[in-house]
Amino acid sequence: GDSVTQMEGPVTLSEEAFLTINCTYTATGYPSLFWYVQYPGEGLQLLLKATKADDKGSNKGFEATYRKETTSFHLEKGSVQVSDSAVYFCALSDLGQKLVFGQGTRLTINP
Amino acid sequence: GAVVSQHPSWVICKSGTSVKIECRSLDFQATTMFWYRQFPKQSLMLMATSNEGSKATYEQGVEKDKFLINHASLTLSTLTVTSAHPEDSSFYICSAPGAFGANVLTFGAGSRLTVL
Repeated sequence: GDSVTQMEGPVTLSEEAFLTINCTYTATGYPSLFWYVQYPGEGLQLLLKATKADDKGSNKGFEATYRKETTSFHLEKGSVQVSDSAVYFCALSDLGQKLVFGQGTRLTINP
Repeated sequence: GAVVSQHPSWVICKSGTSVKIECRSLDFQATTMFWYRQFPKQSLMLMATSNEGSKATYEQGVEKDKFLINHASLTLSTLTVTSAHPEDSSFYICSAPGAFGANVLTFGAGSRLTVL
């Protein structure tokens, strides 16, 4: 079945560092890909998405490009802030609205 | 913006009791809602799809008699954990599509259940 594999956490960086969180997927069809973020004490929020190969999703300085050839959707940000500390989930949807999530990556940014 | 509200946000109960968790779409209608379960430091696992006015669709391995789902209106779905046991302790999260597009889900903040 469909699956998503994320980079193991936790990840700890200093403020203004470059961030990459790796995400790869397996799917039988042509899924849409998502990054969700969960801030402490809050629900999951959609961070960005891409619906087809070579699409780039971006939001709040974060970017991810849908790479069909490597089945990847890595999340990047050029300069992280303390407020980016959260748990990040990569996910795919290959059957309409059902989401398959990766295991989540906890990110901590130190000032 | 679209908001999905869950209640209670946390609950502690004794083993053998039943617990009901509510999921409400506050400013939009949701004919479908999804219930997820999240174990500590693990991913979200889809438990079931709640359908307004009809029976829920459960994922493989999820006991439908254990996790009762009712979707009585376009803004409310409930999950009842019946005869809860310590292994049912988990974080339960609901979500609903449609507010930002059909394939974008809005998530509730989750309900943490602890069974003693």
